[in-house]
Amino acid sequence: GAGVSQSPSNKVTEKGKDVELRCDPISGHTALYWYRQRLGQGLEFLIYFQGNSAPDKSGLPSDRFSAERTGGSVSTLTIQRTQQEDSAVYLCASSRSSGAKAGYTFGSGTRLTVV
Amino acid sequence: AQSVAQPEDQVNVAEGNPLTVKCTYSVSGNPYLFWYVQYPNRGLQFLLKYITGDNLVKGSYGFEAEFNKSQTSFHLKKPSALVSDSALYFCAEAGGTSYGKLTFGQGTILTVHP
Repeated sequence: GAGVSQSPSNKVTEKGKDVELRCDPISGHTALYWYRQRLGQGLEFLIYFQGNSAPDKSGLPSDRFSAERTGGSVSTLTIQRTQQEDSAVYLCASSRSSGAKAGYTFGSGTRLTVV
Repeated sequence: AQSVAQPEDQVNVAEGNPLTVKCTYSVSGNPYLFWYVQYPNRGLQFLLKYITGDNLVKGSYGFEAEFNKSQTSFHLKKPSALVSDSALYFCAEAGGTSYGKLTFGQGTILTVHP
């Protein structure tokens, strides 16, 4: 596609429910990154994919968070047993190759609200 | 470890005046520095980056930034601010890993008054 697509754009869920956030990167972009932006804060790195593998998942805040990528394309971030502190905007970015020189394209994010 | 600091939570300027949004960084090795802008309910939009070469980098919408190695800074500047420049600005660094993990500053809210 022309850009990075994220869905849903907004998600309101009850505490304790599981949610899935989707990222559809630009076609041909092998690198994919997830970030979390809490209200009034900067962006925190969550996980990095190169193809379907995740060499760096060090930013996932707890074992309730997991992510996968299939076919070297679409990625899904899953949060189990959501808590109120999970409320944030989740941003996805893709890049033609790993590393800064290729540049990044960000999606518009999924705003998650846990009530 | 990488770190990026934006010392000002907010910057206020009058339309037509020059603006500066500050950023300092800490990274072992060569820094790869970025500026992004975020408008309400929108994703991040790329403004400019420094990878190598000239220390003065020109980017989108008339913005520029100067890489200063001795001061470990990468301040964002614009000669004449517009009301439409009002937004949240993030500085980021990606030189700490081989795969380009971005480390972001906390962000600076820029408000340009008419």
